[in-house]
Amino acid sequence: DQQVKQNSPSLSVQEGRISILNCDYTNSMFDYFLWYKKYPAEGPTFLISISSIKDKNEDGRFTVFLNKSAKHLSLHIVPSQPGDSAVYFCAATYSGAGSYQLTFGKGTKLSVIP
Amino acid sequence: SAVISQKPSRDICQRGTSLTIQCQVDSQVTMMFWYRQQPGQSLTLIATANQGSEATYESGFVIDKFPISRPNLTFSTLTVSNMSPEDSSIYLCSVNPYNEQFFGPGTRLTVL
Repeated sequence: DQQVKQNSPSLSVQEGRISILNCDYTNSMFDYFLWYKKYPAEGPTFLISISSIKDKNEDGRFTVFLNKSAKHLSLHIVPSQPGDSAVYFCAATYSGAGSYQLTFGKGTKLSVIP
Repeated sequence: SAVISQKPSRDICQRGTSLTIQCQVDSQVTMMFWYRQQPGQSLTLIATANQGSEATYESGFVIDKFPISRPNLTFSTLTVSNMSPEDSSIYLCSVNPYNEQFFGPGTRLTVL
C-alpha cells in the first residue's frame, strides 16, 4: 500500500518552460512534505518543503503547492533548465513520526530538453 | 550540511554471500538511517541506528538479514546477509543533524 504516489514515472519539458511534478498521498496524518532531487550516482538532496499549515512555499524557481483536501501536492519549476534534469522524489512525514521517518514516492524522472 | 560517504559505491555479488556497506559522516550525529531503493520503487527505510544501542528495524526488515553496527557517532555499517537477487537495490545511508535529511551517494548492489 503506497502512501505517497508519484504517478508519472517520467516527464519531458522544453528549456524555459514550466515543469510540474505531481504527488498524491493517502495518509491524513502527514503534515510535512518534502521534495528531493537525485542525480545519477548521487544521493537525494533536499530541494523544498511545505508544512500542512501552508498551501504554497516558494524558493527561487521552485514552488510547492499543497492541496490538503485533495491530498495532493505539486512542484513547479519555472523556468526549467537542463541542469534540472534529475529524478524528483516526493516525501511525507508527520509530527508524531519524528523528522526521520520519511515516506517516499517512487520518483519522477524529469528531462529538460535544451 | 552533512557530508556522507559510502563504501563500496557498487558491487556485484553471488547469491548466498554477504556484503557489508560502510557509511561515514563528517560530523557526529545521534541517529543514522539506512534506506533501500529497489528498482522502480521508492526509498524505503530499513532501520535506524543509534550509537550504543541496537538498531530499530522497520516492518518487513529483520536483524538477521540486515545486521547493523554503530560503533561511534560518525560511522555505521549495514550488512546484507545471505543475499538473493531480490536484494539487488541501491542502499543509502542518511542522517538528519539539523532536522533536514541528508543522504549518502548510495551503494548499488547487484546479486547474481
